[in-house]
Amino acid sequence: EPEVTQTPSHQVTQMGQEVILRCVPISNHLYFYWYRQILGQKVEFLVSFYNNEISEKSEIFDDQFSVERPDGSNFTLKIRSTKLEDSAMYFCASSEDPRVYTEAFFGQGTRLTVV
Amino acid sequence: QKEVEQNSGPLSVPEGAIASLNCTYSDRGSQSFFWYRQYSGKSPELIMSIYSNGDKEDGRFTAQLNKASQYVSLLIRDSQPSDSATYLCAVNSKNTGNQFYFGTGTSLTVIP
Repeated sequence: EPEVTQTPSHQVTQMGQEVILRCVPISNHLYFYWYRQILGQKVEFLVSFYNNEISEKSEIFDDQFSVERPDGSNFTLKIRSTKLEDSAMYFCASSEDPRVYTEAFFGQGTRLTVV
Repeated sequence: QKEVEQNSGPLSVPEGAIASLNCTYSDRGSQSFFWYRQYSGKSPELIMSIYSNGDKEDGRFTAQLNKASQYVSLLIRDSQPSDSATYLCAVNSKNTGNQFYFGTGTSLTVIP
């Protein structure tokens, strides 16, 4: 069964360092998302991506965040200068087509720990 | 701010019973509704989607939607200990660029 895959599963980084989280969406999906979940809190929307550009972003997605689809299969989230409060689970998700009713499928997540 | 509200629980039911999970949402323009199951430390797993008023059944799961009341629920029949997890309600509207808004989740424990 097709699935969204994310790497790494766990990343530990020092405050101020850059991290790149990687995702391979389901192959025929067109719409990609990044969400995050701070421990014990709700799943929060960061950004959506469609047709090689950002479709929508939340207030959380400030200038330290960026997304890219570098090679037609990978979808990455870069955090330029990590802060302690960026520690969270980061989930990538994808869906087939945003123009019709559709479901989003989540990857297994990357646990980011900023120390 | 689009709000999705869930009772955080915890909800405990005995094995074999029916578990009832509820969710309300604030955006009347919402068009798609989803239930995800999340085990501790894991990612959300889609279990049900519903788009029109009424009931939708899939195995032991039944989703119910009432757009007039802005209410969506999930019933789990014949609850099993493996159903113990946090259940997330998610709502999507084309008016919001297709992002999914999540509730905080309801923690369900099925007691053997």
